[in-house]
Amino acid sequence: AQSVTQPDIHITVSEGASLELRCNYSYGATPYLFWYVQSPGQGLQLLLKYFSGDTLVQGIKGFEAEFKRSQSSFNLRKPSVHWSDAAEYFCAVGIFGNEKLTFGTGTRLTIIP
Amino acid sequence: DSGVTQTPKHLITATGQRVTLRCSPRSGDLSVYWYQQSLDQGLQFLIQYYNGEERAKGNILERFSAQQFPDLHSELNLSSLELGDSALYFCASSGRGGVGNTIYFGEGSWLTVV
Repeated sequence: AQSVTQPDIHITVSEGASLELRCNYSYGATPYLFWYVQSPGQGLQLLLKYFSGDTLVQGIKGFEAEFKRSQSSFNLRKPSVHWSDAAEYFCAVGIFGNEKLTFGTGTRLTIIP
Repeated sequence: DSGVTQTPKHLITATGQRVTLRCSPRSGDLSVYWYQQSLDQGLQFLIQYYNGEERAKGNILERFSAQQFPDLHSELNLSSLELGDSALYFCASSGRGGVGNTIYFGEGSWLTVV
């Protein structure tokens, strides 16, 4: 069965600094990969997704992620964070023919002035 | 706004009771998913319906059941509630089902069992 690991429970960065959130997956074939963001009291919003093709994926709100098959990783990046980026970020994996998404445990992002 | 509507937003009920959570998918979406988010289990897939039929089942307890109606809205029924059922329950929808289709989440229904 597929699994997702987000090794960082909580990350604090300064506003304007760069950000990288880590995600590692476990699955024998190429999975479908997603990053979602959950703001306090809100639902999950899709930031970006990778199905195939270009391994660098652009998403909304200035985020991007890079699929690295050799490292089984799909890290999320942003060159300069804004205070409004403070939220919980979830990496998720899906596989073809299986309806469900398997989510990581999430990384809580705090932005300091 | 994802277009997925869930009611109620908050619910407090006692152990042993039964509640129904309601979900209206995005206009035109045929597939509805239910997820549970709790502190100890994280985000867990419960069940999926596609055009009225059950398509996939995950970690859904026997005390829980769901259905999707002809107008495509869905209900999640939780019975014999226990304290551990306290969680945020998400509904999500997608166009045709299948993980290749983008899944849009509602804002969730907060259930507190006391």
